[in-house]
Amino acid sequence: DSGVTQTPKHLITATGQRVTLRCSPRSGDLSVYWYQQSLDQGLQFLIQYYNGEERAKGNILERFSAQQFPDLHSELNLSSLELGDSALYFCASSVAAPDTQYFGPGTRLTVL
Amino acid sequence: AQTVTQSQPEMSVQEAETVTLSCTYDTSESDYYLFWYKQPPSRQMILVIRQEAYKQQNATENRFSVNFQKAAKSFSLKISDSQLGDAAMYFCAYRSATSNFGNEKLTFGTGTRLTIIP
Repeated sequence: DSGVTQTPKHLITATGQRVTLRCSPRSGDLSVYWYQQSLDQGLQFLIQYYNGEERAKGNILERFSAQQFPDLHSELNLSSLELGDSALYFCASSVAAPDTQYFGPGTRLTVL
Repeated sequence: AQTVTQSQPEMSVQEAETVTLSCTYDTSESDYYLFWYKQPPSRQMILVIRQEAYKQQNATENRFSVNFQKAAKSFSLKISDSQLGDAAMYFCAYRSATSNFGNEKLTFGTGTRLTIIP
């Protein structure tokens, strides 16, 4: 158990819908990263937050957004969902920005 | 931009034997970190081992060790005394050591699926 929690574990929804994925980092970790794992794109970095502030953006679509709250948990919002958004979404956390990242169990999103 | 290449999509090894997974990377940076993560059927991403580029000594964690060749930009993972629980997808990952915006993300290879033969 990495200490990073993600909810829900599984999510099934329809095209055009909006979902929110939640991540709680390890106790004391200030940095949260979101990654997407899909069959065709592999593991890709989406976005990073550090102590409530956005720190870096990767290959994140405009339909996706995220935020980190004062208690350091983070949410990833996916809207206008398309079939291609079906993937495993991971959250990872680290103590500081340049440190080893520990991953949560992931949320499997299926868009029908 | 940095890239990570894992040229072996699949590997298999007899239980109790030793297997080596390959990883190469491309970077213009001199200071960075390299990681191996394991993803078993549960899909959890588990850190196996970490190597700091400025350290010449190869990292070791129990049955797992790496062969880090900085000049060749090669970072292979050796698993000794393979066990059934080692069956998983293994990902090699790169991260810059400089703490600049956008540099702290992990860049992953495409993975190697390891099968353990009883």
